[in-house]
Amino acid sequence: EDKVVQSPLSLVVHEGDTVTLNCSYEVTNFRSLLWYKQEKKAPTFLFMLTSSGIEKKSGRLSSILDKKELFSILNITATQTGDSAVYLCAVEDAGNNRKLIWGLGTSLAVNP
Amino acid sequence: ETGVTQTPRHLVMGMTNKKSLKCEQHLGHNAMYWYKQSAKKPLELMFVYSLEERVENNSVPSRFSPECPNSSHLFLHLHTLQPEDSALYLCASSQGLRLTNEKLFFGSGTQLSVL
Repeated sequence: EDKVVQSPLSLVVHEGDTVTLNCSYEVTNFRSLLWYKQEKKAPTFLFMLTSSGIEKKSGRLSSILDKKELFSILNITATQTGDSAVYLCAVEDAGNNRKLIWGLGTSLAVNP
Repeated sequence: ETGVTQTPRHLVMGMTNKKSLKCEQHLGHNAMYWYKQSAKKPLELMFVYSLEERVENNSVPSRFSPECPNSSHLFLHLHTLQPEDSALYLCASSQGLRLTNEKLFFGSGTQLSVL
């Protein structure tokens, strides 16, 4: 059965710390991996990754995909309290109506 | 502001009530989705509409009835719900006509409690 596993499930850090969130997957027909940030209620798109080894970057956030080892990491440097959110990972299954398979998310709390 | 608006934000209903959730997108997108988010479970896709035509129904019980009158509006009609249906219901839209789920734009959800 296809699945996406995120770790850790929750994390508490202090402002200024660097965090690494993990997303591993077992999806038969991988097409892409997506990261979303869910603060309050609405998830918002962060990155879409399709190729191994190519880092996507947006400000203090960056992400990379390893299609050989079947995982992705999301890095946040110099964390701020506004980074507190649930970070969701999803993998697009190319063979199943391009369905998204979602992880449970990592809940990040950044304390001042 | 994501361009996708959901109302109401919160809803409490009894098991015999009938209520409707509303979603409106101001992005000119062609596809709209209903998702269910329960505690300790991944997001569950319920329905997909593309150009007002339902293209996916993921074995959702008939007590949930979607309606898409035009490409900007999506409703979820609820009747005789069960307590286990309590969850956050998220609406989303995407630009493409295909079933690709790239770059979904989500609303803030309706937090539903069924008593």
